[in-house]
Amino acid sequence: NAGVTQTPKFQVLKTGQSMTLQCAQDMNHNSMYWYRQDPGMGLRLIYYSASEGTTDKGEVPNGYNVSRLNKREFSLRLESAAPSQTSVYFCASTDNQPQHFGDGTRLSIL
Amino acid sequence: AQRVTQPEKLLSVFKGAPVELKCNYSYSGSPELFWYVQYSRQRLQLLLRHISRESIKGFTADLNKGETSFHLKKPFAQEEDSAMYYCAFRRGAQKLVFGQGTRLTINP
Repeated sequence: NAGVTQTPKFQVLKTGQSMTLQCAQDMNHNSMYWYRQDPGMGLRLIYYSASEGTTDKGEVPNGYNVSRLNKREFSLRLESAAPSQTSVYFCASTDNQPQHFGDGTRLSIL
Repeated sequence: AQRVTQPEKLLSVFKGAPVELKCNYSYSGSPELFWYVQYSRQRLQLLLRHISRESIKGFTADLNKGETSFHLKKPFAQEEDSAMYYCAFRRGAQKLVFGQGTRLTINP
């Protein structure tokens, strides 16, 4: 049982490049989330999707877009990557707490 | 503002010593609080939640509404407790607000 699967695990981008981070869950959860993890900042919510067909901004949405492709998949897109977006990105899902997390994507923007 | 504060970024204790990871929250309603843990090379996972009132891996956490705290405690630390710990509270139907995290190191 994979739970929450994120791809890729690592990525290096140049400033200005675009990229989509993929997330899929096999637990039939309604709600899905994207967080970024930065030293000293904890986990901050970027976007979330309470149910299929809906998305909402979190705490730090600027520079990101999301797509809830179907109930299983929730992607995060960086249209024009900036060095400030260097971080570890986590996807999570839940129906009721607790949230289940993926392994994370380590993204570096040069 | 609704937030969670973990005042210690780093905490180091010796094996067998008591450990307490501090968490304070700012929330006007009745909070639902959680502790999540991330061990090295593992996923972030739930450790415990205050409504369960249970002890997991020897850890307990009591909600103190007077002090607006939800500190995580263990009487005798073990080396396998070394990890990153996050306090969080439930905001809205399904959203969580996380603290900054505390990296706990247990020295042999």
